[in-house]
Amino acid sequence: AQKITQTQPGMFVQEKEAVTLDCTYDTSDPSYGLFWYKQPSSGEMIFLIYQGSYDQQNATEGRYSLNFQKARKSANLVISASQLGDSAMYFCAMRGSNYKLTFGKGTLLTVNP
Amino acid sequence: DTAVSQTPKYLVTQMGNDKSIKCEQNLGHDTMYWYKQDSKKFLKIMFSYNNKELIINETVPNRFSPKSPDKAHLNLHINSLELGDSAVYFCASSQGFTLAGEKYGIGETQYFGPGTRLLVL
Repeated sequence: AQKITQTQPGMFVQEKEAVTLDCTYDTSDPSYGLFWYKQPSSGEMIFLIYQGSYDQQNATEGRYSLNFQKARKSANLVISASQLGDSAMYFCAMRGSNYKLTFGKGTLLTVNP
Repeated sequence: DTAVSQTPKYLVTQMGNDKSIKCEQNLGHDTMYWYKQDSKKFLKIMFSYNNKELIINETVPNRFSPKSPDKAHLNLHINSLELGDSAVYFCASSQGFTLAGEKYGIGETQYFGPGTRLLVL
């Protein structure tokens, strides 16, 4: 069975600073994919970044990077130079051999001016 | 030119009614999904169709029935609505995969629709 754990229900960060959102996962699958999604207050789900379990390098997409530590089963999202528009709910998700996307409970990020 | 669209955006109805939510994607994807997001924001897969074939069917009451008339559309019909059905329902789509593949599909990105906020009174 797959499990995603996001231990931070809420996080605060000052505008222009970097922030790390934690995500740990549990799976027995040899290959899997890890995803981060953003859900602003308007409600839509926005794909941010993807990391494959066999990828040698950490994924980056603009101000988003994924700090993937396979041995520790962690896939933390790093947002650099936070902006007010980054305030949202962030979900970590994993897809393994059952092809189902399993989500964590989310972290609510608030960016302060 | 919305990639994944859902109608209606809001749905308020009485207990016991039957309602449908429609989803359409114009991305040319083969696979579509329905998710339920509860009041605590927890997202859970309900169904998935690959090219009109049901491939994921989670433990969902049989009052919920998905229908895929073609691979660009996946509708969700709910019979005899209950208070606990109140939630946000998201449709999503991805490129597509075959169950025979081992790694194929694991890295597929799912693109979500805007959600349908269902309130059962």
